[in-house]
Amino acid sequence: NAGVTQTPKFQVLKTGQSMTLQCAQDMNHNSMYWYRQDPGMGLRLIYYSASEGTTDKGEVPNGYNVSRLNKREFSLRLESAAPSQTSVYFCASSFRGSTEAFFGQGTRLTVV
Amino acid sequence: KQEVTQIPAALSVPEGENLVLNCSFTDSAIYNLQWFRQDPGKGLTSLLLIQSSQREQTSGRLNASLDKSSGRSTLYIAASQPGDSATYLCAVGGTDKLIFGTGTRLQVFP
Repeated sequence: NAGVTQTPKFQVLKTGQSMTLQCAQDMNHNSMYWYRQDPGMGLRLIYYSASEGTTDKGEVPNGYNVSRLNKREFSLRLESAAPSQTSVYFCASSFRGSTEAFFGQGTRLTVV
Repeated sequence: KQEVTQIPAALSVPEGENLVLNCSFTDSAIYNLQWFRQDPGKGLTSLLLIQSSQREQTSGRLNASLDKSSGRSTLYIAASQPGDSATYLCAVGGTDKLIFGTGTRLQVFP
């Protein structure tokens, strides 16, 4: 099983450019999440989707948008990238919020 | 607002030692607590999941305990090995999301 797959693995953007991070899971999970990880700050929740068709803001949603395209896919979009968005981004999924979560391998994004 | 704290932030021990990593949380209304391992430059690997109704879970040399009333969890690693070197993260599960601590970076030297 592939589990949670994120693309791309690495990306460099110029300030003001836009891009979409893709995430797909093959475990028939209802809930999906986007986190960012910065040194010394742990993982912070950007957005989550408790079920297909719903999305909610997490701790740090500013500058991001998400789409729960279907049950398998949950994308994160940066409309106008800023250097403060340089980070490692992780997608995760779980059957529901109270069950075990599984993570992708991460996307390392640098905004110059 | 749920806040999760992990102490210590970093730990360096010789091989063979038994060690304890701590995780505390401010809101005891949780559904579960999950411990993860993260190797440098890699994603997170789930180690143990404790449901709110449970007191502990064990997997091999790892044992995790949960005390909801005091807002604490511990991860006990027995007979540590250099291969245990990694960052360990705890995460508290609510109805629909996980909130993470900042992690403990563990180094086990031969």
